[in-house]
Amino acid sequence: KAGVTQTPRYLIKTRGQQVTLSCSPISGHRSVSWYQQTPGQGLQFLFEYFSETQRNKGNFPGRFSGRQFSNSRSEMNVSTLELGDSALYLCASSLDPGSTYEQYFGPGTRLTVT
Amino acid sequence: DQQVKQNSPSLSVQEGRISILNCDYTNSMFDYFLWYKKYPAEGPTFLISISSIKDKNEDGRFTVFLNKSAKHLSLHIVPSQPGDSAVYFCAASGLDQAGTALIFGKGTTLSVSS
Repeated sequence: KAGVTQTPRYLIKTRGQQVTLSCSPISGHRSVSWYQQTPGQGLQFLFEYFSETQRNKGNFPGRFSGRQFSNSRSEMNVSTLELGDSALYLCASSLDPGSTYEQYFGPGTRLTVT
Repeated sequence: DQQVKQNSPSLSVQEGRISILNCDYTNSMFDYFLWYKKYPAEGPTFLISISSIKDKNEDGRFTVFLNKSAKHLSLHIVPSQPGDSAVYFCAASGLDQAGTALIFGKGTTLSVSS
């Protein structure tokens, strides 16, 4: 069974631009969560989607948004990029929210904002 | 305020010895705890978990201990192997977390020397 895939793997953007990252969960997994990893803060929860609905949201500004499609694939968007948005963005999938807390992570998208 | 803390940024152990990684939490509503391992350029990989109704869970060389009264958990790796060298993250989730949002510690880098 294929794992969680994320595209692109690396991305360089300039301040003020926007970016869209994509995540395909493990086949059969319906819950997708997004995390931001930075050296100083570790992994921080961004948001979670299940059945095309955002179920939970972390403490991030409104510039960070996401969506989920009917095939469970998910995208996250960051608008008006800031230098501090440079980070590794990780997507994780699980079968259903609440049925298991084990989440399976993709390799991440490394975003650099210059 | 950090709800999950890994106070040791790094740990060095010799091959064959025991590695003990520690994690403290502050939120008494957490009811499920997980350990993840992360290699560079890869997403975190689920290792082992424990429910708050248990005090120990074992899986091969990995054992997690939970002390609820102290709000402390630890991961024991016996015997340690060079391939265990990675960053280890402690994570928690609970009844006040909608969906499957995980709260992560900042990680401990384990180095196992041969």
